[in-house]
Amino acid sequence: QQQVKQSPQSLIVQKGGISIINCAYENTAFDYFPWYQQFPGKGPALLIAIRPDVSEKKEGRFTISFNKSAKQFSLHIMDSQPGDSATYFCAASISTSGSRLTFGEGTQLTVNP
Amino acid sequence: DADVTQTPRNRITKTGKRIMLECSQTKGHDRMYWYRQDPGLGLQLIYYSFDVKDINKGEISDGYSVSRQAQAKFSLSLESAIPNQTALYFCATSDPGTSGSRDTQYFGPGTRLTVL
Repeated sequence: QQQVKQSPQSLIVQKGGISIINCAYENTAFDYFPWYQQFPGKGPALLIAIRPDVSEKKEGRFTISFNKSAKQFSLHIMDSQPGDSATYFCAASISTSGSRLTFGEGTQLTVNP
Repeated sequence: DADVTQTPRNRITKTGKRIMLECSQTKGHDRMYWYRQDPGLGLQLIYYSFDVKDINKGEISDGYSVSRQAQAKFSLSLESAIPNQTALYFCATSDPGTSGSRDTQYFGPGTRLTVL
C-alpha cells in the first residue's frame, strides 16, 4: 500500500519553464514532508522540506506548497534549468517514529535546453 | 556521498547464491537504513537500525537480513538471491540531533544488484 502517491511519473519541461510535481498522502499523522533529488548514478539528496505548520516554503528556485486539508503537497521549480534534470522523490515521516521516511514513486524530470 | 560508502557498486550473481552488501559511514550517525529502488516504485525501506543493538524490519524485509557490526557499519544480506531481488540498493544514515538536522537522511551511491 503506497501511503504517498506521486505524479507525474515523468515530466518534460523547456528551459525557463516551471516544473510542478505533486504528492498526496493518506496518513494524517505525517508531520514532515521532504523532497529528495537524485542524479543518475548517485544516491538521493535532500532538496527542501516543509512541516505542516506552514503552507509554503521557498529556497531559491524551489518552492514547496502544502495543503493540509487536502493532504497534498507539491514541488515547484521556477526557471527550470537543464541541470535540474533528475529524479525527484517526495516523502513523509512521523516525528514519533524517528526518521523513518515513506517515499513516493518518483518523478523523472527532463529540462530541455 | 563520500561520507557514506557502499560496496560493491555493482554485482551480478546467480539464483540461490548468498550475497552481502556492505555500508560504511564516517558521519558518526547512529541511525542507518537499507532501501531498495525499483523503477516506478520509489524507495522502499528494507531494514533500519537506530543504534548497534536496535534492528527493525521495514516495509519489505522478507528474503533479506541485516547485521549492524558497529556504529559505522550496516550490512544487508540476501540469503538465497532470486531474480526479483534485482534492483538498486541504497544505504542511508541520519542523525537524531537538533530539530534542524533531524529526519535528513544521507544516502550512499548505491549498489546495482542483478540476480540471474
